[in-house]
This record gives sequence, C-alpha cells and structure tokens, in this order.
Amino acid sequence: DAKTTQPTSMDCAEGRAANLPCNHSTISGNEYVYWYRQIHSQGPQYIIHGLKNNETNEMASLIITEDRKSSTLILPHATLRDTAVYYCIVRLGNNNDMRFGAGTRLTVKP
Amino acid sequence: DTEVTQTPKHLVMGMTNKKSLKCEQHMGHRAMYWYKQKAKKPPELMFVYSYEKLSINESVPSRFSPECPNSSLLNLHLHALQPEDSALYLCASSPDRLSGNTIYFGEGSWLTVV
Repeated sequence: DAKTTQPTSMDCAEGRAANLPCNHSTISGNEYVYWYRQIHSQGPQYIIHGLKNNETNEMASLIITEDRKSSTLILPHATLRDTAVYYCIVRLGNNNDMRFGAGTRLTVKP
Repeated sequence: DTEVTQTPKHLVMGMTNKKSLKCEQHMGHRAMYWYKQKAKKPPELMFVYSYEKLSINESVPSRFSPECPNSSLLNLHLHALQPEDSALYLCASSPDRLSGNTIYFGEGSWLTVV
C-alpha cells in the first residue's frame, strides 16, 4: 500500500469546517483513498472513499487533487462529537486489506 | 444494516487460560479481518479470511489461533497469552477483498491478560 502522511494533530472550532489533509505522493492509478475515524474506545468508523473524483456523502466531502498525490477530508460543520483520530488510508485496487497509519487527532473546541 | 458484533466486550484472562473472542456479521460479507490495537496506537492487521479460508497471517504468534466456521462467524482463540497481549481486538468485514469495497468494523473486545 502507498504510504500516507498526515499531521499529528489539528484543532477546529465548533461549527466551522474541518479540513484534514493527507499526502500520498506514491499512490498508483488503481489505489483508492479511504478515510476512517476512531472515537475514543470505539471501533473505526468508515467516512468516505474515492479513486479519482471528488466525493460527498452525508458525513463529509473528499477532495482529491488532479495528480492524486494528496487529498483533503472536509467536515463541513464540525461538532464536539467529531473529536476523534482520523485515518487516511490508500489501498491497492486488487487487495482490499487495510493497514492504518498514525492518523490525525482532531479536537473540536467550543 | 452494517453491523459487526463482537463478544465479549471485555475479557480478563490469566496467562494459562484458554478463551475465545467471537465476531458475527449478517451482511453476507465474505471477507473478515482481525486487528489488534494497543493504547494510543493505530490498529494493526493480524489475519484476513476470504471465503472462509485464511488468506493473510501477519506473522502473528501461534498463541492466537483464528477460525472461520462459516461465512458469518469469525473466532479468535487465545491460549497462553502474555500481559503484553492486552489490547483492543477489532473484527471487521467487507463484501470481499476486491477493490473499492468498504470495510466495516465492530466495536472491539477489550482483552486484559493478568
């Protein structure tokens, strides 16, 4: 799997958009970008994934650069319940196995 | 329904005990996974099952023994564990191992070895 680089931690004000970056400069053409989050003491929760195009669902938006070497997860209106560790994972197209990096600890503050 | 159910939620066992962790899903998924997570660390992949056959063993010590008795169930048998094996054990499933499929995680089983 391609290696990903994320900031160790980020803060965000409640109600504001949280923009979480991820670098994956060695990504190859058939590798998907996945985002999961883990709230303390719970199992990882799927957020969103994409291959080339930007994606949006009820939780978040995923913006992938045209060269696919980086992406940004956007939580449009962060709440205190969005405080969690966010993992950006790049997975080989023919191998669905997921290996986690260190992730970004997002703290949403009142 | 995207639920992966793990039991028990908490387990305390001695180093000479034999115990099992159980995982169940009814989504028709044919790939199932075990992960281990130590405090303040990301989850680490342990085992992958595909269509009830073991596909990946990430060099896990033999004191951890996985079993997939049918397509809905995944067990992790524990024997002669060490205190350093205390961790959160996560089970996950996905439709299969092919590209683009989402992996769904359970809430985990907290294991303490005394």
